[in-house]
Amino acid sequence: DAGVTQSPTHLIKTRGQQVTLRCSPKSGHDTVSWYQQALGQGPQFIFQYYEEEERQRGNFPDRFSGHQFPNYSSELNVNALLLGDSALYLCASSPIAHTGELFFGEGSRLTVL
Amino acid sequence: KQEVTQIPAALSVPEGENLVLNCSFTDSAIYNLQWFRQDPGKGLTSLLLIQSSQREQTSGRLNASLDKSSGRSTLYIAASQPGDSATYLCAVKDSNYQLIWGAGTKLIIKP
Repeated sequence: DAGVTQSPTHLIKTRGQQVTLRCSPKSGHDTVSWYQQALGQGPQFIFQYYEEEERQRGNFPDRFSGHQFPNYSSELNVNALLLGDSALYLCASSPIAHTGELFFGEGSRLTVL
Repeated sequence: KQEVTQIPAALSVPEGENLVLNCSFTDSAIYNLQWFRQDPGKGLTSLLLIQSSQREQTSGRLNASLDKSSGRSTLYIAASQPGDSATYLCAVKDSNYQLIWGAGTKLIIKP
């Protein structure tokens, strides 16, 4: 049983560019959440998708957008990249939208130059 | 506003010792609390999930307790091993179903 998988694992972009990160949830999970983790800090919630809709959103600008597909996989898109967007982007899935246990992928390390 | 604090930020102990990591939160209205482990540059591994109605959960050498009234959770690690070295984070799911994170405790087990 594959866990949460994310791609790519590492990527380098320049300021102003756009990036798309991908996530496949753990089998049987239909809820996907995205987090940003800066070095030495705890994760910051970006948004959560359930039934192909954004259900909750953290304090992130509109440059951060997402999508969930019918097979429950998800994408995180970041436009007009800033140096401060450099971070580890983590995807988590859970079997229940609100109170289920979260399982995380290995993350996508984004470096913005 | 829910706030989660983990003290100490770093801890170094000799191999074989039992140890306790602390997590405190300011609002007792939570749905659950989850402990995670994170190795450098890696994702998060779920260790234990405690629902708000539970007092503790155990998995192998790990035991997590929850005291909502005092806003505290502890993660007890028995017979520590060098492989336990990692950053341990706790996260609380608050009344808005938001996951609020602590900054983590970096644990080093010395051989």
